[in-house]
Amino acid sequence: GQSLEQPSEVTAVEGAIVQINCTYQTSGFYGLSWYQQHDGGAPTFLSYNALDGLEETGRFSSFLSRSDSYGYLLLQELQMKDSASYFCAVRGGGGNKLTFGTGTQLKVEL
Amino acid sequence: DGGITQSPKYLFRKEGQNVTLSCEQNLNHDAMYWYRQDPGQGLRLIYYSQIVNDFQKGDIAEGYSVSREKKESFPLTVTSAQKNPTAFYLCASSMTSAGIEKLFFGSGTQLSVL
Repeated sequence: GQSLEQPSEVTAVEGAIVQINCTYQTSGFYGLSWYQQHDGGAPTFLSYNALDGLEETGRFSSFLSRSDSYGYLLLQELQMKDSASYFCAVRGGGGNKLTFGTGTQLKVEL
Repeated sequence: DGGITQSPKYLFRKEGQNVTLSCEQNLNHDAMYWYRQDPGQGLRLIYYSQIVNDFQKGDIAEGYSVSREKKESFPLTVTSAQKNPTAFYLCASSMTSAGIEKLFFGSGTQLSVL
């Protein structure tokens, strides 16, 4: 099967940089993606990595190392509205399923 | 507007009752998914469908059933065999463009047991 591990909670101050790590186990890896979910809302897509390296989209960047089965989401210039849960997800395994991690709750403080 | 529509937003189930959650998309996506989310938890895959008239079990399919008779629709039935159905249910569809896969989620259905 597939499994993902990410920290349950991270706290940072407004304007800072925060990194949310994700390690995964899967067979037949296709890609690692990141989603943001505000309380009571639907997850929204942030980033996707299929190849090693860094992908940058505005204040958010995502990194992948396939050899280490590891990725991270980097959030810069944190804003209060970034307070949310962040999920990594991996596609792979039997049936080519998309499996989500348990999520990291990010709290941005003044 | 294009998107995923889930209904109802809130649903209550009595003991022994089957209930059906609706999911409709007008994004012309082939793949659709149902996830269950418990408070403070991640998303667990119930069923997914990569094409019309075909679907596969996810990680927690027991007590649930689906159909995919039309590309636009992927309803989920929570049967009486699901003994702990209280959760937030999310439907999604996906597309891959320029090698990037994105899931688009509906606004969810909160199911509670009376």
